[in-house]
Amino acid sequence: GIQVEQSPPDLILQEGANSTLRCNFSDSVNNLQWFHQNPWGQLINLFYIPSGTKQNGRLSATTVATERYSLLYISSSQTTDSGVYFCAVEQSGGYQKVTFGTGTKLQVIP
Amino acid sequence: KAGVTQTPRYLIKTRGQQVTLSCSPISGHRSVSWYQQTPGQGLQFLFEYFSETQRNKGNFPGRFSGRQFSNSRSEMNVSTLELGDSALYLCASSLYGAEQYFGPGTRLTVT
Repeated sequence: GIQVEQSPPDLILQEGANSTLRCNFSDSVNNLQWFHQNPWGQLINLFYIPSGTKQNGRLSATTVATERYSLLYISSSQTTDSGVYFCAVEQSGGYQKVTFGTGTKLQVIP
Repeated sequence: KAGVTQTPRYLIKTRGQQVTLSCSPISGHRSVSWYQQTPGQGLQFLFEYFSETQRNKGNFPGRFSGRQFSNSRSEMNVSTLELGDSALYLCASSLYGAEQYFGPGTRLTVT
């Protein structure tokens, strides 16, 4: 099956700093989403981005499907950004089976 | 619009018992997927239902099963519980299986 790798696995930032999280996938995908998992386990939708670039406030994401990677940018980080960030992909071919990456654990310190 | 709801939120069971978890999708969504999250294995796909039909299944033993009702609500069942089944079980809904929205999860502890 498709392999999804995220980097870095852990990240500690000072409040106000910027960061880039990366998601690499091993095969063509139909769909790609970025999620933020809060300390209570809730997965919060950040972006649905099978290709192209999107922005939402301090967050933006870019997916280059032909090169099989996606990037999530967090600018001016805040302590509330802490948590685990996951990318999730659905492999091309009509599988309707979503594979999650291993996640990036982000800690933003004041 | 109300989000995805899951019940119960927390559950403690004993080895060998069975458990049923419930998921109500966002109104109008016809696809429901289930995932298991553990510290060791991460988030793993269990199965996906669309209009009462299972379209895909992950690599889990037959003890894990599910179904979807005509109102799109879904249940998953785990029989003969093992300690390793302790996990956060997450349900997601989507219109046709693309962009997914997750519920708060059911945290299952098997003792």
